[in-house]
Amino acid sequence: SYELTQPLSVSVALGQTARITCGGNNIGSKNVHWYQQKPGQAPVLVIYRDSNRPSGIPERFSGSNSGNTATLTISRAQAGDEADYYCQVWDSSTGGVFGGGTKLTVL
Amino acid sequence: EVQLVESGGGLVQPGGSLRLSCAASGFTFSSYEMNWVRQAPGKGLEWVSYISSSGSTIYYADSVKGRFTISRDNAKNSLYLQMNSLRAEDTAVYYCARSSGGLLETSPYDYWGQGTLVTVSS
Repeated sequence: SYELTQPLSVSVALGQTARITCGGNNIGSKNVHWYQQKPGQAPVLVIYRDSNRPSGIPERFSGSNSGNTATLTISRAQAGDEADYYCQVWDSSTGGVFGGGTKLTVL
Repeated sequence: EVQLVESGGGLVQPGGSLRLSCAASGFTFSSYEMNWVRQAPGKGLEWVSYISSSGSTIYYADSVKGRFTISRDNAKNSLYLQMNSLRAEDTAVYYCARSSGGLLETSPYDYWGQGTLVTVSS
């Protein structure tokens, strides 16, 4: 089965840039989506198909995907960006696959 | 405004059954593929099942295959998840999520409900 690996936690200073990685075998050949989830809330799509932002998502959120790693980048991090972040792909053998999630802390 | 509202969660004994519903509004339900995603307490997201817009194509996670059945009623704008032979490890918040459209491989989950909690315990 296909697996996605994320760091458990990432910390970033207020106003600096946070990078959250998502590792998977040849993930660069897949379409990666990223979701933000705040405590007690449903997930929200923040990046789709590697690098596209849905309407209403700030330009500070960006994504890239190549080789075995996809990356979500949050520029000028704000306190309101503190959340859990999940990457997700569709694998033809496994189905929908989520990474284990990364807790972002803004210091 | 797109809305997805889950219902049907609750406390059930191991081996029991439960049927979840998801009421959709604010979009043409019959045109969109739908999914169930769950989240165990304090854990990450886990995809559970997918159903195509017509209901003709269905996929399940290995963890629920043979026990759960996804279905939909496009006339009632509703998605369902019949859960049988429930286990303690099925305890989770269950979300219904809409696929945005296009190929499975490229389609994110663009709208989510608020979830319904299923607790499997004696």
